[in-house]
Amino acid sequence: EVVMTQSPATLSVSPGERATLSCRASQSVSSSLAWYQQKPGQAPRLLIFGVSTRATGIPARFSGSGSGTEFTLTISSLQSEDFAVYYCQQYNNWPLTFGQGTKVEIK
Amino acid sequence: EVQLLESGGGLVQPGGSLRLSCAASGFTFSNYAVHWVRQPPGKGLQWVSTISASGTYTYYADSVKGRFTISRDSSKNTLSLQMNSLRAEDTALYYCARTYISTPSNYFGPWGQGTLVTVSS
Repeated sequence: EVVMTQSPATLSVSPGERATLSCRASQSVSSSLAWYQQKPGQAPRLLIFGVSTRATGIPARFSGSGSGTEFTLTISSLQSEDFAVYYCQQYNNWPLTFGQGTKVEIK
Repeated sequence: EVQLLESGGGLVQPGGSLRLSCAASGFTFSNYAVHWVRQPPGKGLQWVSTISASGTYTYYADSVKGRFTISRDSSKNTLSLQMNSLRAEDTALYYCARTYISTPSNYFGPWGQGTLVTVSS
């Protein structure tokens, strides 16, 4: 099983600042990496797939990068609606696995 | 508009069974793989099971293999999850999710709002 490890567990950021979230895979997942956003009481929402491709309707302030085992989600200028929990997920191997999540909170 | 609506959750005793359903609309159901993903209270996301667009292929997390069965009825646009031999650790909000695009790609596009399963005596 590919273990996905996200860091940090919690990120405190002021509105307008940049947020950088990390995701590490225990083995290479090639470019089969997705990111999701989940707000309290809501279902997750797909942000990015294929490491760096934004899903439909996702603002350009969200960007993804990386390859192999190291990946990054960057939110260039945090808006109030971006405070949420973010999960990475690999889909290169079965079983599909998620990271444990990074909570982005208001500083 | 794509919609996924889960139902069938509830309180069940350890060792019991439950069948979850997910009614899909707004897209050609038979063109997409569909999945179950769960989230224990206050915890992260866990993939549970996937069924291919044709229904030919099914995949399970080790933690549910042999106890859960995923199926689909494309004539009724419905996804199901039969859960047997339930354990306390199966307690979670169960989401139905569709593959984002119709070609094989196992990341999750539209999600339902979830149905809560509680396993407790």
